[in-house]
Amino acid sequence: SAVISQKPSRDICQRGTSLTIQCQVDSQVTMMFWYRQQPGQSLTLIATANQGSEATYESGFVIDKFPISRPNLTFSTLTVSNMSPEDSSIYLCSVVMGNTIYFGEGSWLTVV
Amino acid sequence: KQEVTQIPAALSVPEGENLVLNCSFTDSAIYNLQWFRQDPGKGLTSLLLIQSSQREQTSGRLNASLDKSSGRSTLYIAASQPGDSATYLCAVPPRYGGSQGNLIFGKGTKLSVKP
Repeated sequence: SAVISQKPSRDICQRGTSLTIQCQVDSQVTMMFWYRQQPGQSLTLIATANQGSEATYESGFVIDKFPISRPNLTFSTLTVSNMSPEDSSIYLCSVVMGNTIYFGEGSWLTVV
Repeated sequence: KQEVTQIPAALSVPEGENLVLNCSFTDSAIYNLQWFRQDPGKGLTSLLLIQSSQREQTSGRLNASLDKSSGRSTLYIAASQPGDSATYLCAVPPRYGGSQGNLIFGKGTKLSVKP
């Protein structure tokens, strides 16, 4: 199994600012995944983060808006840049071990 | 493009009732289907994974079925308890495959079990 810790768990952010979310896993994993869950919407994959290479972004998401770092096999960060109220969401990181996908508890961001 | 729909969006039942949650997907060429549980303020927990070659999977009071040809899955919860109150999500991989962490989710069914 995998235990995933995310920071911050919650934050209220000012419009136009940026916030970095941290994701720490208790095991080494090749890929880490970042999802967004907007209010009333389904979880949507933002990007896949591999250690030692640039993240792979899904359609509709760009590196300038959501830069990702993956400095080692247990840690990743997602930055939400130049935030607007539309970025108010839960951001979750996840990993796969064996046949099971594990999620962190999420980072609840409110942009005002 | 794969789309996942879950009906109903919300469901309230008295304790002890058996219930069924529905999930449909538009592209039947899936490798597997997963059901998750999401509790307020917490992340997602994987409940059941059904491979494309399977028709159902059971875990305790939960039973998930898969009918690929009709693009449907159901999650059956027997003898519901207040602790079952949560949002239940189903998810499938995209057609082009990719990693196991790349999933397309429905919006979920919010279940409330009243004591």
